[in-house]
Amino acid sequence: DGGITQSPKYLFRKEGQNVTLSCEQNLNHDAMYWYRQDPGQGLRLIYYSQIVNDFQKGDIAEGYSVSREKKESFPLTVTSAQKNPTAFYLCASSIATRGFYNEQFFGPGTRLTVL
Amino acid sequence: QKEVEQNSGPLSVPEGAIASLNCTYSDRGSQSFFWYRQYSGKSPELIMSIYSNGDKEDGRFTAQLNKASQYVSLLIRDSQPSDSATYLCAVVTSGTYKYIFGTGTRLKVLA
Repeated sequence: DGGITQSPKYLFRKEGQNVTLSCEQNLNHDAMYWYRQDPGQGLRLIYYSQIVNDFQKGDIAEGYSVSREKKESFPLTVTSAQKNPTAFYLCASSIATRGFYNEQFFGPGTRLTVL
Repeated sequence: QKEVEQNSGPLSVPEGAIASLNCTYSDRGSQSFFWYRQYSGKSPELIMSIYSNGDKEDGRFTAQLNKASQYVSLLIRDSQPSDSATYLCAVVTSGTYKYIFGTGTRLKVLA
């Protein structure tokens, strides 16, 4: 059963803590993305990766870090430097980043709340 | 000017009617256009992609693209209460990989 999984579904973070959100896909997609969604706003790109061991900053990368050691996995760490991390985090993947193979498919999301 | 604009709604239509959702974009060189449906508390689900001018139909959904006027629309025929959701328009700007998302239009289908 192909798809994108994210865990956990809900995450609570205390001030000053780093937390890591998991994203795994078995679609054999090369490209993976992390977005943040806040109420009343469009999705904003945090980081993306076109290939293993390579990733690029998106529009709002400050306070976040990622790794891409395996094609299937693209974890996102929300660091204590991210001042307002409460949001809905969405992972997506696509066959490629350009051309007609750039349809992005989303995982179920992780809702992060800072206590 | 926002890069991708959508009316936030809510757009209310009676069951069985045609729902028409619109999206305008600012980058004339944009090449790829997508419609996503997002139920409350859930992640976006891709429902249509369109790359060339004209209409593209898939079941009850029709996407329409007019690059000269820089708009893309989504028609939902025979609207059902289960179509009630927020519909996100996404555009890939020219020369990049990046999706630019609109803020979405909330659709309410009244039974």
